[in-house]
Amino acid sequence: DGGITQSPKYLFRKEGQNVTLSCEQNLNHDAMYWYRQDPGQGLRLIYYSQIVNDFQKGDIAEGYSVSREKKESFPLTVTSAQKNPTAFYLCASSVLARSTDTQYFGPGTRLTVL
Amino acid sequence: AQSVTQPDIHITVSEGASLELRCNYSYGATPYLFWYVQSPGQGLQLLLKYFSGDTLVQGIKGFEAEFKRSQSSFNLRKPSVHWSDAAEYFCAVGARQAGTALIFGKGTTLSVSS
Repeated sequence: DGGITQSPKYLFRKEGQNVTLSCEQNLNHDAMYWYRQDPGQGLRLIYYSQIVNDFQKGDIAEGYSVSREKKESFPLTVTSAQKNPTAFYLCASSVLARSTDTQYFGPGTRLTVL
Repeated sequence: AQSVTQPDIHITVSEGASLELRCNYSYGATPYLFWYVQSPGQGLQLLLKYFSGDTLVQGIKGFEAEFKRSQSSFNLRKPSVHWSDAAEYFCAVGARQAGTALIFGKGTTLSVSS
């Protein structure tokens, strides 16, 4: 079955540590996205990538980094510079980065900073 | 700037009753509009989308939405709610420029009472 997988489902981090969230898709989509979800805040865009080896900052990129070395993979690193990283992180993909393209979402990773 | 407003944070509906979730957008031209649903701890699933043409859009799970340009609204409706519809619902708007991700509203939580 085609889809998007995110791992781990739950992640705990100590303050000052970097952590990397995995996102893999087998939909053959060119575009991939990372969103952050906080209660009552909706989804906010962190980074997106239109094609391999290319990515752009979203609205809240500070304290995060990404890479796009393979079409299928778009990992997100939450660095120690991110002041309040506890949140639910959602990865999505679409055929292209056009606003008419449906975005398909993974099941999410819940990150908690201890 | 584009924005999406979902005026109702939380709505409770009796099972079998009708449902309307409100969404208002701010955009200079005709936007691309989406409704997504999210079950607790899960990713988002697309319910329906509007790009152009017929202003009444049918989606999955018996949902429909109507685009009203004069009111800048895209309200989601369902004639008879089932207990399984309890979830969080997000309205989103897409820009016409390539490479722009969706802008989401803050969501409406639907509870269904028996």
